[in-house]
Amino acid sequence: KAGVTQTPRYLIKTRGQQVTLSCSPISGHRSVSWYQQTPGQGLQFLFEYFSETQRNKGNFPGRFSGRQFSNSRSEMNVSTLELGDSALYLCASSEELAGFRGGNEQFFGPGTRLTVL
Amino acid sequence: AQSVAQPEDQVNVAEGNPLTVKCTYSVSGNPYLFWYVQYPNRGLQFLLKYITGDNLVKGSYGFEAEFNKSQTSFHLKKPSALVSDSALYFCAVRDLPYNTDKLIFGTGTRLQVFP
Repeated sequence: KAGVTQTPRYLIKTRGQQVTLSCSPISGHRSVSWYQQTPGQGLQFLFEYFSETQRNKGNFPGRFSGRQFSNSRSEMNVSTLELGDSALYLCASSEELAGFRGGNEQFFGPGTRLTVL
Repeated sequence: AQSVAQPEDQVNVAEGNPLTVKCTYSVSGNPYLFWYVQYPNRGLQFLLKYITGDNLVKGSYGFEAEFNKSQTSFHLKKPSALVSDSALYFCAVRDLPYNTDKLIFGTGTRLQVFP
């Protein structure tokens, strides 16, 4: 199976702009999560989607939003970009295993490197 | 609240020597623990996980981890390090409730293997 894919791989934006990042999960995976990785804050959870519904949300401002489509592909959007939004944004997918809650691993994509100038 | 700690920012080891990357955890309920590795300009790769059962878990690329409930630790180990093992390693714990996939990550440990 193909792995998790993310597009684009690199983005350069300026403050105030908005950006949309895309993620295609592993075929058959219906759960998609997003994380932000920065040198200062490490890996921080943004949100999680399952069957087009947001199942969990991290502690980020409302400028960060996401959605999931019926084919499990997901997008995240950041509006009114700030310098501090510069980061590697990672998408991860997992397979929902019946009766195995909590123990399923997530598979990560290569990330989108966002630079805000 | 669930949390993990990686006490070492960097671990240096000579090729061929055994390596250990440390992780301690603090959880409510059952600890579902994971190790991931990140190579430069890449995403995270899953190495192994502890759910239940044997305290010694074997994973990818010859890595294994030892779960120790009394010491609340989940250290990553490899009997013989390779230069290609040099990377950033993350320990993670599943958040509560267990109907989420959210992982809580440690701060990461950079492993440097010298020839």
